[in-house]
Amino acid sequence: EVHLLESGGDLEQPGGSLRLSCVASEFTFNDYAMSWVRRAPGKGLEWVSSISGTGGSKNYADSVKGRFSISRDNSKNTLYLQMNSLRAEDTAVYYCAKEASLVVGASYFDYWGRGTLVTVSS
Amino acid sequence: QSVLTQPPSASETPGQRVTISCSGSGSNIGSNNVNWYQQLPGTAPKLLIYSSTRRPSGVPDRFSGSKSGTSASLAISGLQSEDEADYYCATWEDSLNGWVFGGGTKLTVL
Repeated sequence: EVHLLESGGDLEQPGGSLRLSCVASEFTFNDYAMSWVRRAPGKGLEWVSSISGTGGSKNYADSVKGRFSISRDNSKNTLYLQMNSLRAEDTAVYYCAKEASLVVGASYFDYWGRGTLVTVSS
Repeated sequence: QSVLTQPPSASETPGQRVTISCSGSGSNIGSNNVNWYQQLPGTAPKLLIYSSTRRPSGVPDRFSGSKSGTSASLAISGLQSEDEADYYCATWEDSLNGWVFGGGTKLTVL
C-alpha cells in the first residue's frame, strides 16, 4: 500500500522559513509527479505546488510563487517544500499528494498523506 | 474566490440521492478531466472519481461522476451517514498552469 508521511510543520513567525518533507514508500517514486496541497482553517483545499517525476518541471500557485520552492530527492524517496517569507495566510495543514502520472497535471491525485500543520503567527 | 464553483452545502436524508455541481470554464473543465475528492472530518482527502466518470477500486458504485461542457457533477445514491464529508472537484487550469479546486461542498446526511 502506498504510504506518504509528511513532517516539518511547526509554529513559525511571519517572515520566517520552514522546510516540509514527505517520505514516500511502496511505489517507484521517480515514476510519478508529486504535489503539495493545503487546507487553511475554515477553508477548502488549495493546490500549492507540483513537481514532475524527474524533477525537471515545477509549477506553483500564484499565492506562493517566489516564496516557496518544491524539490525532490529520488534517491531518498522524499519530496520537499521550502517555505520562505511566511505569512499568516500560509497557516494550514499541508498535504503531500501523489499524482498518477510522471508529468504534472496529466491525471489526478491518487494518494494523499495525513498532513502536517504549519502555523504562522507572532 | 475559487476558479471552480460548488455549492457550499448540501443535505439529504439517508437512502436518498444527492447531486453536487461543479462549474468552471473552457480553460479548465472545458478542456480537462474532472476529479472528485472526499474529505471525512479529521482525515486526509481521498480520491473518489477520476477522469470525470471513473471510480477507483474500492469506491462504491453509489458514487458516480459526469461532465458536460464546462460543468461536472458528483451524484451519491443510497446516502449513508458515513457519507457526511466535504467534497471537492478539481481539474487542471490551462491558463494558470496549475491545479484548481472547487470551494468544497459540505454534505450533511439528515
